[in-house]
Amino acid sequence: NAGVTQTPKFRILKIGQSMTLQCTQDMNHNYMYWYRQDPGMGLKLIYYSVGAGITDKGEVPNGYNVSRSTTEDFPLRLELAAPSQTSVYFCASSSRQYTEAFFGQGTRLTVV
Amino acid sequence: GQNIDQPTEMTATEGAIVQINCTYQTSGFNGLFWYQQHAGEAPTFLSYNVLDGLEEKGRFSSFLSRSKGYSYLLLKELQMKDSASYLCAVRDEGRAGKSTFGDGTTLTVKP
Repeated sequence: NAGVTQTPKFRILKIGQSMTLQCTQDMNHNYMYWYRQDPGMGLKLIYYSVGAGITDKGEVPNGYNVSRSTTEDFPLRLELAAPSQTSVYFCASSSRQYTEAFFGQGTRLTVV
Repeated sequence: GQNIDQPTEMTATEGAIVQINCTYQTSGFNGLFWYQQHAGEAPTFLSYNVLDGLEEKGRFSSFLSRSKGYSYLLLKELQMKDSASYLCAVRDEGRAGKSTFGDGTTLTVKP
C-alpha cells in the first residue's frame, strides 16, 4: 500500500506561472483534503472533498482550484502563482468523518 | 470558527515525562486529534478523543475535557526520537469532518 502519494516533492515557480500539484490515494477513502503549512505554523485547509465530483472551499481557498473526478485523485491547481503561495502543501485522506487523516509527504513550493 | 492555542516550544530531558497542553474555543466540536510531525516530514496520527477522559496508548496518553475546552498530550519515558512538533486539531461538526489545526508545539528532548 502506497497510501497518499504527492508529486512533485519540490518545485520552484516564477511569479505568474501556473502548476498542478498531484495527489492520489490507494486506500479507497472518500474524504480528501489539501492543506498548506507555512514555517512554524499549523496546517490551513485550502479545499476538501467528500467524494468524486464534490469539492468545497476551506479556510484559505483564494488562488487555488481543485477537481475530484475519481475517488483516488485530488489535484490542486495554482493559477498565477504569487510569493504568498510559497509554502509546503500536504494532501490528506480519511475514510469516514471520525477517523484520522493520512498525509502525503508534502510538496515544497517556492514562488520567486 | 475555531481558535486553538498551544505553547510554541517545550524542552525536556530524555527519560522524563512531558505534558503538552491545548486549549480551544470552537463553534462546533466533534473530537480532538493529536498528530506528531518530525521536521521536514508529514504529520502522523497519535490519538483521538471525542469523550471526556484519558486515552492511553503505550508511552503516549491524551486527555480531553470538553466543558473546559482543554486537552493535553502526555509523553512518558521520553526518547530522543520524540523531538518533533505536536499538532492539536479540532474536528468540527460539519460534513467531511474538517479539522482546524493549532500552530503546533515544538518539543526538544535533550540527553
